[in-house]
Amino acid sequence: EDQVTQSPEALRLQEGESSSLNCSYTVSGLRGLFWYRQDPGKGPEFLFTLYSAGEEKEKERLKATLTKKESFLHITAPKPEDSATYLCAVRRNSGNTPLVFGKGTRLSVIA
Amino acid sequence: DVKVTQSSRYLVKRTGEKVFLECVQDMDHENMFWYRQDPGLGLRLIYFSYDVKMKEKGDIPEGYSVSREKKERFSLILESASTNQTSMYLCASSDPGQVDGYTFGSGTRLTVV
Repeated sequence: EDQVTQSPEALRLQEGESSSLNCSYTVSGLRGLFWYRQDPGKGPEFLFTLYSAGEEKEKERLKATLTKKESFLHITAPKPEDSATYLCAVRRNSGNTPLVFGKGTRLSVIA
Repeated sequence: DVKVTQSSRYLVKRTGEKVFLECVQDMDHENMFWYRQDPGLGLRLIYFSYDVKMKEKGDIPEGYSVSREKKERFSLILESASTNQTSMYLCASSDPGQVDGYTFGSGTRLTVV
């Protein structure tokens, strides 16, 4: 069964304190790994898609990386506005199947 | 930008009422999805549709039905609302290849009293 596990469930950082969020996955043939940001009371917003091991993508203070078993979302020198829940999802390489989502990591950045 | 619009941000309904949640997307996407999101449980797939008049059950379809009469509109129906259906409901759409994942609506916070 396809599975996505995100850790930690919650993370509290001081402003400027870099860290990483983890997304471990088990899927029968990966066709894409997706990162989303979700602010309280809103729908998730797309951040990145990664397709193959070794791939990296960056956006401002965020960098996503991918291995054959997990993905990391690195946050460099975070600011309070980076506070949100970050969701990871995978799509498997067979047909038009729905994405499988992790439960998310709730990030709080304190000034 | 693709827009997915959910008709209501907040709804309060009574137990036993029939509830309709509407979702419209404006980018001619074939795929549409309904999720509910609860603390500690993450996103759970209720129903999805890959074409007009098509529907597929997700992981938690009990107590729900859907309607897709037009490509751009996907409705979630709670046949007889119950308090355990109090939740955040999220609609999403994607192209067939799901290359960019999903585009989500802003969500509907439903409270059943």
